[in-house]
Amino acid sequence: EAQVTQNPRYLITVTGKKLTVTCSQNMNHEYMSWYRQDPGLGLRQIYYSMNVEVTDKGDVPEGYKVSRKEKRNFPLILESPSPNQTSLYFCASSLSGTVGGYTFGSGTRLTVV
Amino acid sequence: GQSLEQPSEVTAVEGAIVQINCTYQTSGFYGLSWYQQHDGGAPTFLSYNGLDGLEETGRFSSFLSRSDSYGYLLLQELQMKDSASYFCAVTYTGGFKTIFGAGTRLFVKA
Repeated sequence: EAQVTQNPRYLITVTGKKLTVTCSQNMNHEYMSWYRQDPGLGLRQIYYSMNVEVTDKGDVPEGYKVSRKEKRNFPLILESPSPNQTSLYFCASSLSGTVGGYTFGSGTRLTVV
Repeated sequence: GQSLEQPSEVTAVEGAIVQINCTYQTSGFYGLSWYQQHDGGAPTFLSYNGLDGLEETGRFSSFLSRSDSYGYLLLQELQMKDSASYFCAVTYTGGFKTIFGAGTRLFVKA
């Protein structure tokens, strides 16, 4: 089944404790992206990647890192999480970045206390 | 910067037609997409407009006017299951960065 898999689905962590949210897609898509979703703010792009080793900042990259060492994987790293990073995170992938749109993962609900 | 405007809420009755508008800033515009998100779920892709005009997919249609920096999603024969949030998203040139609007909450009443 074609899909984007994110893990974990839920995570509660403490301020400052490094964490990684994994994202993997099995559709051989070139484009991958991370979004965070907060009430009333829609989906805000954190980072995106156009191909292996090619990444760029979205609108809210502060406090996040990404890497794209393999085409299928695009992990999101929070080196020192803070409470304002409590949010719902979505990973998404797309073949072209345009036509056909993005396929989203199921989301990761992160709480930083 | 790049921003999109769409209404925050729309209410319609079952069987009716509803239109959700989206305006955007033109700088670097490449195409307009629409996504649906039910409560507790992930966004799902509905349509993409790269050129001016209407794209139809079943009960859903999407329209783009580049000259007006404007698009809309048209939902016909509304069903209760169409109650969801709808997001317009603009893809920009230079890496195909994709920015989402804040979303329109659609309530379908019986």
